[in-house]
Amino acid sequence: SQTIHQWPATLVQPVGSPLSLECTVEGTSNPNLYWYRQAAGRGLQLLFYSVGIGQISSEVPQNLSASRPQDRQFILSSKKLLLSDSGFYLCAWGSTGWNTEAFFGQGTRLTVV
Amino acid sequence: AQSVTQLDSHVSVSEGTPVLLRCNYSSSYSPSLFWYVQHPNKGLQLLLKYTSAATLVKGINGFEAEFKKSETSFHLTKPSAHMSDAAEYFCVVRNMDSNYQLIWGAGTKLIIKP
Repeated sequence: SQTIHQWPATLVQPVGSPLSLECTVEGTSNPNLYWYRQAAGRGLQLLFYSVGIGQISSEVPQNLSASRPQDRQFILSSKKLLLSDSGFYLCAWGSTGWNTEAFFGQGTRLTVV
Repeated sequence: AQSVTQLDSHVSVSEGTPVLLRCNYSSSYSPSLFWYVQHPNKGLQLLLKYTSAATLVKGINGFEAEFKKSETSFHLTKPSAHMSDAAEYFCVVRNMDSNYQLIWGAGTKLIIKP
């Protein structure tokens, strides 16, 4: 069966510091991969998605970047964090197709101080 | 273009009473619709999905949703609320115009009163 791992679960970082959040998927190949952000009291905002190695699409301009160095690895990064980067970050994977759902990791609570 | 609207930001019910979480969608196509649940500081879990088969979809934990094309609705219901149902619920529609991305509603927080 497929599983998705996301770490760390919580992170407190000072403003201006770098960020690296990692997500890996097991039990499937060539998944579509997603990074979402969820601000307090708000819905999910799609940040990046990837349909293959090295293929990254950005949905919103921002201080963050994403990379997919391996088929089942998706990394969210920042060179210098801003206070506004605080939030709950969720990694997800899904199959290609109009009727398929997304499967989520447990999320990372990022607090920038 | 597709969109989804969750009509209530908060819903409060007493334990043992029915739950109704409302969702309306907009789509030029036969839509693909989902309901997800999120417990505090946790990831999201799929409750159920509609993909043009039966209009009444049964999901996990006793939840079900009915697809009504004439009303462009996909409301989530449960006959009897349990304390463990307290969570946030998201209605989602698949973007059929391009890239098949998921379009998320703003969420409804379900509060269960003892």
